[in-house]
Amino acid sequence: EVQLVESGGGLVQPGGSLRLSCVASGFTFSSSWMHWVRQAPGKGLEWVSRITSDGSSTSYVDSVKGRFTTSRDNAKNTLHLQMSTLRADDTAVYYCARDHYGCFDLWGRGTLVTVSS
Amino acid sequence: EIVLTQSPGTLSLSPGERATLSCRASQSISGTYVAWYQQKPGQAPRLLIYGASSRATGIPDRFSGSGSGTDFTLTINRLEPEDFAVYYCQQSGSPPRTFGQGTKVEIK
Repeated sequence: EVQLVESGGGLVQPGGSLRLSCVASGFTFSSSWMHWVRQAPGKGLEWVSRITSDGSSTSYVDSVKGRFTTSRDNAKNTLHLQMSTLRADDTAVYYCARDHYGCFDLWGRGTLVTVSS
Repeated sequence: EIVLTQSPGTLSLSPGERATLSCRASQSISGTYVAWYQQKPGQAPRLLIYGASSRATGIPDRFSGSGSGTDFTLTINRLEPEDFAVYYCQQSGSPPRTFGQGTKVEIK
């Protein structure tokens, strides 16, 4: 089955760190650009980051630059999002998604990150 | 950053009616880089349309996309009960990738 499964979310205090993972199956992960997209409670979608298929290039939305790092392990079909210096406005469901001609054709179910004291 | 403005915010329609959703960009985008998604409560978004007018795999032909430049439209013909949801447009023509704020299609 073609799918993405996120994990690693939870409750973290402001200023803390968290590492999200996304395991891919059913397709050639190593050939796919991948993204993280988040959705704050009751709000719309926000693109967070992108990584190329070989991991050589990444890009980020301005609000997370310097705090978040996207990486991948193609041998383990796994995408990561290392989040540090977390703020209350980082609270959201975080989705990993596969790139398809600039859009996102496969999404995971998401993992909830709550930043609160 | 390209800002996408969707209208209306909420569309109240009955099953069987046609829904017309608008997405206006703050600057011109190649249609190649415009997509539409459907999201239901508690679920991840689902890709409906990419390249402004190409249906994604498994998407019924009652969904269609059109537009160019700064104005793009998603049309849903003959609304089915399962079509009541929130719809987002998205662009990848200019980084960062951005989404519209969403249009909710609700049952009248």
